[in-house]
Amino acid sequence: EAGVVQSPRYKIIEKKQPVAFWCNPISGHNTLYWYLQNLGQGPELLIRYENEEAVDDSQLPKDRFSAERLKGVDSTLKIQPAELGDSAVYLCASSLGPEGTQYFGPGTRLLVL
Amino acid sequence: AQSVSQHNHHVILSEAASLELGCNYSYGGTVNLFWYVQYPGQHLQLLLKYFSGDPLVKGIKGFEAEFIKSKFSFNLRKPSVQWSDTAEYFCAVNFPGSSNTGKLIFGQGTTLQVKP
Repeated sequence: EAGVVQSPRYKIIEKKQPVAFWCNPISGHNTLYWYLQNLGQGPELLIRYENEEAVDDSQLPKDRFSAERLKGVDSTLKIQPAELGDSAVYLCASSLGPEGTQYFGPGTRLLVL
Repeated sequence: AQSVSQHNHHVILSEAASLELGCNYSYGGTVNLFWYVQYPGQHLQLLLKYFSGDPLVKGIKGFEAEFIKSKFSFNLRKPSVQWSDTAEYFCAVNFPGSSNTGKLIFGQGTTLQVKP
């Protein structure tokens, strides 16, 4: 069974540029999550989707971050414009329902110069 | 507010030593408990989980954890570590039925270094 797929794996951009990350969850998983992981810390939830609906985006900085999951399968997370402090690893995870075990993708490591 | 704390940030052991990593959470209701591991250059992988039933759960690679409800703890153990266990370990908690349902709250992580 294929795991959670994320791309790109690495991204280097200059500040104020836009950037987008893509995630394809495990087949059949209706719940999708985006997490932010700073160096030396545990992941922190940015947004959770149940199918195509964002049911928890309270931690998403909406002035510059946006996300979508139009068909309830894959998802895109965007930052525009990026700031130096956005340098981190962006993780996608999926599960069978909000209380199921979450399985993580490899993450996208973002460096903003 | 619900939170998770891991007591040890960096642990160094020799091969064959026993391991215990502490994890405590703050919440009086129902919890689902997880330990994830991140090997160097790899993604987060599930080691073991507890939802209900026997509070002593066994995971992959010889790891086990014990849920002690009265202590709000879910400590990870392994009787004899190997060099290949060198990794970062994260405790995570889900709070079903609460305002944070579906949100995994992670501890800060523990970096384990096993010397050959």
